[in-house]
Amino acid sequence: SQKIEQNSEALNIQEGKTATLTCNYTNYSPAYLQWYRQDPGRGPVFLLLIRENEKEKRKERLKVTFDTTLKQSLFHITASQPADSATYLCALDRQAGTALIFGKGTTLSVSS
Amino acid sequence: DTAVSQTPKYLVTQMGNDKSIKCEQNLGHDTMYWYKQDSKKFLKIMFSYNNKELIINETVPNRFSPKSPDKAHLNLHINSLELGDSAVYFCASSQEKGPGSGNTIYFGEGSWLTVV
Repeated sequence: SQKIEQNSEALNIQEGKTATLTCNYTNYSPAYLQWYRQDPGRGPVFLLLIRENEKEKRKERLKVTFDTTLKQSLFHITASQPADSATYLCALDRQAGTALIFGKGTTLSVSS
Repeated sequence: DTAVSQTPKYLVTQMGNDKSIKCEQNLGHDTMYWYKQDSKKFLKIMFSYNNKELIINETVPNRFSPKSPDKAHLNLHINSLELGDSAVYFCASSQEKGPGSGNTIYFGEGSWLTVV
C-alpha cells in the first residue's frame, strides 16, 4: 500500500535560518504532491502543490522540490521566523479516488 | 465568511451514546470528506463524497455513517461511541479537477470528540 513518511517529528531551528523538511513515499508514483500547514487547534491549510513533471516550486519564502527518482520531496522555508512555527504535512493523491493521504507531519519550532 | 464550517467544535460524551457532527461548505465544491486525526496527529481519510455519492469508505466501522443531503453538506453520525473514537474529526472539501490535476483540499477547523 502507499506509504508516506516525514523524516522527523520535530525540528528546532533559530530565526533567520533555513528550515528543510523531508517527505518520502513508497509504493506509488503520485501525479502531484502537496504541502499543508497546521497550527495547534486548527485545520490544515494548503501551502504548495508540485506536479510530477516539475522539479521545483516557489512561493515567497517557501520552496518545494520533487524528485520522482528518489521518491522524495523537500520543503524549505528560508529566513525562518517564529511565526513559521507549526506542523507541516505533506500529502499525495491516492491511487484511487480524489482524497489525499497525509504524512504524520513535522513540527517546526523557530526560536528568536 | 467561513469556507468549511463544522459543528460542534467540542463534544464530550459518554460511551455508548450516539452523536452527530455537521459540516457545510460554501465554496461550491463538489467533493467533501471526513478525516480523522488521532492523538498521534495522524490525519486519515474516512469518507469521501462527490455530488452526494459515496466515493471512498475507508474501512471505517459501520457505527460511523456519513450522510450528504446535498453537495454543500456532509454530516457524520456515530453510534455506540467507544473510547477509541476520541479524536479530532475534520470535514473538508475540494473541487474535482480530474485525474492528475491536483485537488487542493480545504479543511474545517475540526470537531474535538472526547468519549468518557
